[in-house]
Amino acid sequence: ENVVTQSPGTLSLSPGERVTLSCRASQSVSRNYLAWYQHKPGQTPRSLIYGTFIRATGIPDRFSGSGSGTDFTLTITRLEPEDSAIYYCQQYDTLPWTFGQGTKVEIK
Amino acid sequence: EVYLAESGGGVVRPGGSLRLSCAASGFKFDANGMSWVRQTRGEGLEWVSGITANGDDTGYADSVRGRFTISRDNAKNSLYLQMSSLRVEDTARHFCATRRGDRWGQGALVIVSS
Repeated sequence: ENVVTQSPGTLSLSPGERVTLSCRASQSVSRNYLAWYQHKPGQTPRSLIYGTFIRATGIPDRFSGSGSGTDFTLTITRLEPEDSAIYYCQQYDTLPWTFGQGTKVEIK
Repeated sequence: EVYLAESGGGVVRPGGSLRLSCAASGFKFDANGMSWVRQTRGEGLEWVSGITANGDDTGYADSVRGRFTISRDNAKNSLYLQMSSLRVEDTARHFCATRRGDRWGQGALVIVSS
């Protein structure tokens, strides 16, 4: 099983700041099969990024993904109050298609 | 428009069974791997199970392996999750989603309670 680990666990930032979330896989993720989601309590998860770099439909360019192999990053520039959520990464290269445990982003 | 609609949720006693369905439309279903993902109260997202586009390969989270079975019928554009030996901790909203997660349904609520 490809174990996915996210860091940090929680971030507290101010509006307008830049945030970088880390996602590390225990085995190399091929074909860039790495996705990022934004999840708010009681809501359907929102796809942000798939294929490591590709923004999902309707996602603003403040959100960007990068990385390769075992190390991946989600960057949010110009943080906005509505960005308060838990962010998950997921590798969908090899079954089981594992999620990380999430990073909680709080807006001050 | 891409559309995923789950059905089959409900209330069941511990040890019971339920079958979730997910009807897909608006995209080439038979070209997409699919997942079931759940959100428990107070917990985060948990990937439950996945199946490749042609159904040849399946995978399960440790928490459900041996109790849940994923399947699909590409002729009917449908995904299924047969859940057996249900436990209280399986109580969650269960979502179907495309493999790469760019499309999600609204979820089906499963409550396991005596």
